Amino acid sequence: GAVVSQHPSRVICKSGTSVKIECRSLDFQATTMFWYRQFPKQSLMLMATSNEGSKATYEQGVEKDKFLINHASLTLSTLTVTSAHPEDSSFYICSARPSGWATDTQYFGPGTRLTVL
Amino acid sequence: KNEVEQSPQNLTAQEGEFITINCSYSVGISALHWLQQHPGGGIVSLFMLSSGKKKHGRLIATINIQEKHSSLHITASHPRDSAVYICAVSPFPLQGAQKLVFGQGTRLTINP
Repeated sequence: GAVVSQHPSRVICKSGTSVKIECRSLDFQATTMFWYRQFPKQSLMLMATSNEGSKATYEQGVEKDKFLINHASLTLSTLTVTSAHPEDSSFYICSARPSGWATDTQYFGPGTRLTVL
Repeated sequence: KNEVEQSPQNLTAQEGEFITINCSYSVGISALHWLQQHPGGGIVSLFMLSSGKKKHGRLIATINIQEKHSSLHITASHPRDSAVYICAVSPFPLQGAQKLVFGQGTRLTINP
């Protein structure tokens, strides 16, 4: 089946630094990828929709200057958490929607656990 | 009130029991998804359905569009089924990149 990878799987960084998380669709092209955030024991919260070749669409309340999204190719989207603070510590998950499919299938990545000290 | 409601929120059962998790939604949808999230965090898509019933191994998912309700059943449950099960819907109208609306999840624990 379709596979989505994320890198890194977990990262620990110091407050004030920036962290980049990659989301790749390994065996299909994805015009659209989604970035989610999940706090402990809570459901996924959509942060932004990443569109290949254009600007990302951010959900209300998500700071676009803090969470930079780049979807440079049909198989790669990146989320950069800039000037990270402890409150940014969370589990970040991406999903990818295969291009051209008539259905709403989304394939999820394994997630990246970010800890900001 | 959330657009997608799951019940129960937590469920503990003994190995071998038949498990049912329910999902009700209040919006028109093009599809409903059942997802599984293990303690490590990764999410696996179990089913996507827009009508009727689907079966995969010991898992069965049903949906009633008129009643806006779906159920996920697990037969002969096993400790490895312990996970959080999440219901998510793709709401109408379809607008470009379709966002999912998630339920709060059901935490399932199967004891040996």
